[in-house]
Parts: sequence; structure tokens; C-alpha cells
Amino acid sequence: AQSVTQLGSHVSVSEGALVLLRCNYSSSVPPYLFWYVQYPNQGLQLLLKYTSAATLVKGINGFEAEFKKSETSFHLTKPSAHMSDAAEYFCAVSDTGGFKTIFGAGTRLFVKA
Amino acid sequence: ETGVTQTPRHLVMGMTNKKSLKCEQHLGHNAMYWYKQSAKKPLELMFVYNFKEQTENNSVPSRFSPECPNSSHLFLHLHTLQPEDSALYLCASSLNQRADNSPLHFGNGTRLTVT
Repeated sequence: AQSVTQLGSHVSVSEGALVLLRCNYSSSVPPYLFWYVQYPNQGLQLLLKYTSAATLVKGINGFEAEFKKSETSFHLTKPSAHMSDAAEYFCAVSDTGGFKTIFGAGTRLFVKA
Repeated sequence: ETGVTQTPRHLVMGMTNKKSLKCEQHLGHNAMYWYKQSAKKPLELMFVYNFKEQTENNSVPSRFSPECPNSSHLFLHLHTLQPEDSALYLCASSLNQRADNSPLHFGNGTRLTVT
């Protein structure tokens, strides 16, 4: 069965600093991987997705993620944090066997002024 | 209106009440989902409908009853709930459940409180 682990339930950065949110997955086949963001009182929205076309994926709002098969990782980064980036971020993997999307537990990002 | 719309946004109900949550999508998608989001827990998949057929029931108690009359509408009927059912209920849609790289589009959720 596929699974997703997000390291760190909370991450705090200063405005302008690098954002790094970690995600590791387990999968017996090449996976489809996603990052979603959830702002307060809203549903989740797609930031970016990996579908094997390129290992470095660019998403919305300046975020990007790199697929590293050898490390089974799909970490999310942004060079410079903005206050508006404060939200909860979810890594997800598409279960090619059971046709389900499996979510990590989420990482809440805090941005300090 | 575009996207996925959920109503109501907030719902408070007693344990003996019957209520329904509604979800509507205007994206032309064929798969619809109910998720439960509780504090400090991962997102829990409850039900999946693909082309109006239920394809997933993730061991959800029978006090939750889904209904999908067409590919654009999804309901979650609630009766005799428990306080631990208080959570944010999220509806989502995707192009097709069988399309593995098709992302989910979420509504803003219904915040349910059971008293």
C-alpha cells in the first residue's frame, strides 16, 4: 500500500526566508504526487503535481517541488516566504492500484514578520 | 458559478436531528468524493462516486448516507450523529477516479458541530 509521511507538523520561517516542507512517500510503482494548500476556512487547492514529465515541478505562488526517486522524496520549496503563505500544506500520492488519493497529515506553515 | 460549492458552510445539529450536506460541481467532472477533516488527524476519505456509481465506502458508519443523483451533485445525509462526528466535511471532484494524475478540486467544506 502507498503512504505519505510529512516531516514536521509545524514549520516556522521568517518573511523572506526559504520555505522547505518535507514529504516522503512509499510506492511500489512510479507514483503521481501532489502538493495541496489549505488556507483558513477554505478547502484544499492544488499547488502542483508530479506526473513523471519532469523531476522539478513548478507550481503556483512561486512554489516548486523536486521528485527524487532515490530518496522517495517530494519536498516543497519556495525561495522567499511571504506572510500570505501561512497555511497548511498537504502532500498526497495517487494510489494507482486502488484509485485513491492518499494524503499526508499536513504541515502548518507559520511566517513571522 | 464555477468550481465546487458546498452548502451549508456551518451546521450545528443535535444527536437526534436529521440533516443533509450538499455539494455541487460545475467542472464537468465525473468523480465526486466526501472527506472528513478532524483536528490533528489526516484527511479521511469517506465515499467515492465515479459516474454516479459508488466505488468506495471506507468503512463509514451507517449514520452517514451518501447520495449521488448525477455527476454534478453529491449529498451526505446525516442522522443520529455523535459528538465525535464534529469535523469539517469536504467535498471534492476530479475528472475521473480512474485517471491517476487527475487532481482533486475541493469545496470550502461544511463545518459540522454535533451537540
